[in-house]
Amino acid sequence: GAGVSQSPRYKVTKRGQDVALRCDPISGHVSLYWYRQALGQGPEFLTYFNYEAQQDKSGLPNDRFSAERPEGSISTLTIQRTEQRDSAMYRCASSFLGNEQFFGPGTRLTVL
Amino acid sequence: GESVGLHLPTLSVQEGDNSIINCAYSNSASDYFIWYKQESGKGPQFIIDIRSNMDKRQGQRVTVLLNKTVKHLSLQIAATQPGDSAVYFCAENAGRDSGAGSYQLTFGKGTKLSVIP
Repeated sequence: GAGVSQSPRYKVTKRGQDVALRCDPISGHVSLYWYRQALGQGPEFLTYFNYEAQQDKSGLPNDRFSAERPEGSISTLTIQRTEQRDSAMYRCASSFLGNEQFFGPGTRLTVL
Repeated sequence: GESVGLHLPTLSVQEGDNSIINCAYSNSASDYFIWYKQESGKGPQFIIDIRSNMDKRQGQRVTVLLNKTVKHLSLQIAATQPGDSAVYFCAENAGRDSGAGSYQLTFGKGTKLSVIP
């Protein structure tokens, strides 16, 4: 069984461009979470979904960040008009109901 | 891969010794705690969890202790091996929804464990 996958693994973009980061959770996992991790820090919660419903987006830094999970499986985190401060590792995790969260390998975003 | 060990507290132990990694959590209402291990270039990997109605839980070579009075969590690794070298994060449940029981996690700062062969 495959784990959580994320694509792309690395993304370099110019300031002002939009980016879309994809997460493919473990099959059958109800919950999907997005985190951001800076170097030397623990993951920081952004948002999460149960099925296709976004349950909590309180961690999204501002309205340039949005996420969707239209069919309750794959999710996309979109950052509009990227800024240099958005550079970080973006991690996705999934879980079956309230059980442990399995993390993906992350997408390293660099905004020039 | 990226390094997650920058600017982190570091614990160095001799191979075969026991390791104790400590964590102070912030939210007295948290009722679920997890320890994660993160190796360089990889995502966090679940090690062990504990609920607030317990003060100790044991796994294979690992033990988690919870002291709610002082909001302190510790991870004990027995007979530490080179493969245990990684950054260790504690995480607390920052809230639970009323539906599927899912939750968001708040992670601590992390401790880098280095095992000396």
